[in-house]
Amino acid sequence: SQTIHQWPATLVQPVGSPLSLECTVEGTSNPNLYWYRQAAGRGLQLLFYSVGIGQISSEVPQNLSASRPQDRQFILSSKKLLLSDSGFYLCAWSAENYGYTFGSGTRLTVV
Amino acid sequence: AQTVTQSQPEMSVQEAETVTLSCTYDTSENNYYLFWYKQPPSRQMILVIRQEAYKQQNATENRFSVNFQKAAKSFSLKISDSQLGDTAMYFCAFYSNYQLIWGAGTKLIIKP
Repeated sequence: SQTIHQWPATLVQPVGSPLSLECTVEGTSNPNLYWYRQAAGRGLQLLFYSVGIGQISSEVPQNLSASRPQDRQFILSSKKLLLSDSGFYLCAWSAENYGYTFGSGTRLTVV
Repeated sequence: AQTVTQSQPEMSVQEAETVTLSCTYDTSENNYYLFWYKQPPSRQMILVIRQEAYKQQNATENRFSVNFQKAAKSFSLKISDSQLGDTAMYFCAFYSNYQLIWGAGTKLIIKP
């Protein structure tokens, strides 16, 4: 069966520090991968999506970047965090049009 | 541009009652998919039910069913015999071209 792993679950980072959130998928090949951010009490905002290794599409201009070094690995990064980067980040994968499966999320607090 | 609208920010019902969450969307496409996701306090996002636009039959999953009205671009979720564990945020979503467009969510509270 397919599983998705996302870590860490919580993270507190100072302003100006780097960020690396990792997401890996098991049990499937060539998945579509996504990074979302969710502000408190609100819906999800798509940040990046990838349909293959090295292929990244960005939905909104921001301080973040994404990379897909392997088929089932998706990384969200920042060189210098801003206070406004705080939020809840969700990784997801989908195959064809069945639906999205989400990771358990990372709560990032920038202080 | 595609949009998804959930007009009910919050709802509450007694346990065992039936509740319907509304969702409308706007698109010019003919082939797409619609989903309802549940996000409990743990914040894990869980797929509740999906509907293919080309199917006229409404999708059902145990106590969850949808009323899909393609011409009206409406996709409501009905929860029968509601349970305390149904308390969560519910998000309606529209899928097309690798992207999922989300509604703002409805907070559903099931009271004992």
